[in-house]
Amino acid sequence: DIVMTQSPDSLAVSLGERATINCKSSQSVLYNSNNKNFLAWYQHKPGQPPKLLISWASTRESGVPDRFSGSGSGTDFTLTINSLQAADVAVYYCQQYYSTPYTFGQGTKLEIK
Amino acid sequence: HVQLVQSGAEVKKPGSSVRVSCEASGGAFSSYPFSWVRQAPGQGLEWLGGSIPIFGTANYAQKFRDRVAIYADKLTTTAYMQLSSLTSEDTAVYYCARGLCSSPSCKENYWYFDLWGQGTLVTVSS
Repeated sequence: DIVMTQSPDSLAVSLGERATINCKSSQSVLYNSNNKNFLAWYQHKPGQPPKLLISWASTRESGVPDRFSGSGSGTDFTLTINSLQAADVAVYYCQQYYSTPYTFGQGTKLEIK
Repeated sequence: HVQLVQSGAEVKKPGSSVRVSCEASGGAFSSYPFSWVRQAPGQGLEWLGGSIPIFGTANYAQKFRDRVAIYADKLTTTAYMQLSSLTSEDTAVYYCARGLCSSPSCKENYWYFDLWGQGTLVTVSS
C-alpha cells in the first residue's frame, strides 16, 4: 500500500497570511505514460462531506478560489492557501489514486491564529 | 445537477451486517466509478472499495475484502455497500463518492472523488 504522510498535523495561520501543507507518498504517484501525478487534495469541514479542491496534483476544480494551489511531483506535494480566510478553517487531506487501495494522508487541521 | 443521496443513520449490534445505499439523482450513473470511504470518530478518511456499474465489477481494500460487498442497481441508479461481522471499530460515517471516467466507455477511470454523498453514520454498539 502507498502510505501518505502529511505535515504538519495541525497549523495555525493568521488571517490574510499563507498556509502551506505538505504531503509525501511512500512511492511515486507519477504515471510515466502520461506524465501525470495521481494526487488529489480535499477540504473537510465538520458535518459536511469532503470537498475536492485539486486533482492531478495541481489542477484546481471549477469554483475553487485561486487562493488554493497545488504543486509537486513524484513523492512530494504541497497545498498552498494564500490570503487565508476564516472560511478556510478545515481539515485538509491528500489522496493518491495511483494504485489500490487508494489512500489518504492523516489530515492537517488548519486553524486561525 | 447530480446529487448523491445516502440512506439514513443505522445502529447495529456487534456481529451483524449493515447495508448503506447511495442514490444518484439528476445525471449519469453507470458510467462513473463509485467508491465508499469512511471516517471513524477522530480519525481520517479510509477507502473501503469501489465499483464501476457498467462493468459490474468491484475492487476492495485488502483490509475489508472478506466482509464488504459493493454493488449497484443500474435501474434505480443506486449504489450499495454492505459490511458484515460488525465490531465497534466499524462505527464511522460512511460516504459514497464518485470518481471520473475519461470517456463514456470508462476504459480509463480515475479514483479521485469530485462528488460525495452526505454521509451515513453507522453506530455499532451492544
